[in-house]
Amino acid sequence: EAGVTQSPTHLIKTRGQQATLRCSPISGHTSVYWYQQALGLGLQFLLWYDEGEERNRGNFPPRFSGRQFPNYSSELNVNALELEDSALYLCASSFQGFGYTFGSGTRLTVV
Amino acid sequence: TQLLEQSPQFLSIQEGENLTVYCNSSSVFSSLQWYRQEPGEGPVLLVTVVTGGEVKKLKRLTFQFGDARKDSSLHITAAQPGDTGLYLCAKGPANDYKLSFGAGTTVTVRA
Repeated sequence: EAGVTQSPTHLIKTRGQQATLRCSPISGHTSVYWYQQALGLGLQFLLWYDEGEERNRGNFPPRFSGRQFPNYSSELNVNALELEDSALYLCASSFQGFGYTFGSGTRLTVV
Repeated sequence: TQLLEQSPQFLSIQEGENLTVYCNSSSVFSSLQWYRQEPGEGPVLLVTVVTGGEVKKLKRLTFQFGDARKDSSLHITAAQPGDTGLYLCAKGPANDYKLSFGAGTTVTVRA
């Protein structure tokens, strides 16, 4: 069974640009979660999507947004990139909180 | 603000030695999870503990959940280089299905 897949693996953007990160959940999982892992700060909860709807978001500015598609895959968009947005962005999926599984992440570097 | 405090932040030991890492909170956990994350990868679930006083063993890893469900520890016996990684504790998932992570303990086992 395929795990949670994320793309791209690495992304380099210039300050002020927009970044789009993608996540495909495990088959049968309907929830997708996004976390930011900045150096030394641990994982910070960003967004939770379930059944196509945004259910919860963490303490991040509106520049961070996303969506979930009918096939339950998800996209995270970060607008007006700032240097401090450089981090590993992790996606996880579950079915009603069960089977919580993380992908390998997208390393975003803002220069 | 981290709801979970992990200590120590860094730990470097020789192969064959034992180690213990800690996870503490001022509030009660309904459940607690331990993850290991290797460089360039997402966190992988090691164990979930839910009952105060619970002890779980996974080969050379022993996980304890405090009686008051406010603290937990992970003990590794006869550590091996393959145990190297970032060890994270996480509270939840809660009703909103999100996990709240500690900042982690970076463990390095030298051959």
